[in-house]
This record gives sequence, structure tokens and C-alpha cells, in this order.
Amino acid sequence: GQQVMQIPQYQHVQEGEDFTTYCNSSTTLSNIQWYKQRPGGHPVFLIQLVKSGEVKKQKRLTFQFGEAKKNSSLHITATQTTDVGTYFCAGPQNNFNKFYFGSGTKLNVKP
Amino acid sequence: DAGVIQSPRHEVTEMGQEVTLRCKPISGHDYLFWYRQTMMRGLELLIYFNNNVPIDDSGMPEDRFSAKMPNASFSTLKIQPSEPRDSAVYFCASSLTETGEQFFGPGTRLTVL
Repeated sequence: GQQVMQIPQYQHVQEGEDFTTYCNSSTTLSNIQWYKQRPGGHPVFLIQLVKSGEVKKQKRLTFQFGEAKKNSSLHITATQTTDVGTYFCAGPQNNFNKFYFGSGTKLNVKP
Repeated sequence: DAGVIQSPRHEVTEMGQEVTLRCKPISGHDYLFWYRQTMMRGLELLIYFNNNVPIDDSGMPEDRFSAKMPNASFSTLKIQPSEPRDSAVYFCASSLTETGEQFFGPGTRLTVL
């Protein structure tokens, strides 16, 4: 079955440092979505990427979808304490629409 | 819109008891998803519905789990009998399309003693 893995599992950074999480799927994804879950909260949608090689930006966040549509990354520039939370990638396997969430990367930002 | 509504927010029960979790999706959303989140297994899709019809229930752990969607505005996830290993946060989510943005409810934190 499909697996969607994320690395790293945990990341501790000093406020102002950059942060990147990587998402890798064992099969091609028709699209990739990113969600953020604050401690004690629920996942909240951030963005969706559809095209091979697509890059999207939201303020300090940059999202990329790999050329082969099997990997993706989220990069945060100059982290802030408000960035604390767990970041999940998610997507449906090509030819099937069942949604798979990645294992998540938990980000902690020290002030 | 109030977003996805789940009840109860917290549930503590004893092993062997029946547990029913409830969800009201966002009006107009044709898809409803049930997830379970634990530290060990992460966020797992249990089952999802399209227009009240179950599409994929392959994530339902065992026969003790069942889910229904009697109408477009209500769904239940039932565990009978409950076991301590069922302790987790259960999320309901809804979306307009099968592969589009999902809107999550606040979750139900279930503890089975």
C-alpha cells in the first residue's frame, strides 16, 4: 500500500532560523496538500499543489511539488513562535482517491 | 457557517462500553471523512462517504467499529465494545470534492479505561 513519509519527525529551531520539511510518497500523487496542526488543535489546510514542479508561496512559506509528483517540501523562512505545530502533507494516490496523510513533522520554535 | 461540528469533545468510558461519536459536516459538502489520530500511528483515514454512501471503509480497524451517515448533515462513528487501545483523538472532516481541501472538526478525545 501507499506510504507517505515525512522527514524530519521533529525539528527544534531558534526563532529566526529557517525550517524545511520533506514529504515522500511511494507512489505518484495526483495532488499534494499541506496542513498545519497547532498543539491541541485540529489540522488546518494550508495549500494544494497540482502540477509537476509547481512552486507556491504564502508569505514566509514556500511549497514545492516534485517533478515526478512523488515528493514535496515546505520551507519556512525566519521562523516565528506562531509557526509552532505539526505540519502534514497529504494526497490521493494516482488512480485512486483515498487520502493518505504523511507522518508529520513537529516544529518547535524557541524564542 | 459554523464549520464541522463534533460531539462530544471529550469522552471517558470503561472498557466494554459502547461509544458513539457524532459529526455534522459543513452544509453543501458532499464528502465526509473520519480519521483517528494517535502518537504511534499518526493520522489514519478510517472511512469516507460521498453523498451519504460509504466509499472506502478499508481503514476501519475491525468489526467493533461502524460508521453511518443517515443524511447529509449527520454522521456517527460507533465503537462496540470499546477497548483501551481505541483511546485516541477522532476527527471528522468534510470537503466539496473527493481530493480537495478538507475542513476538520475540533475532534473528540476518547479515553477508554
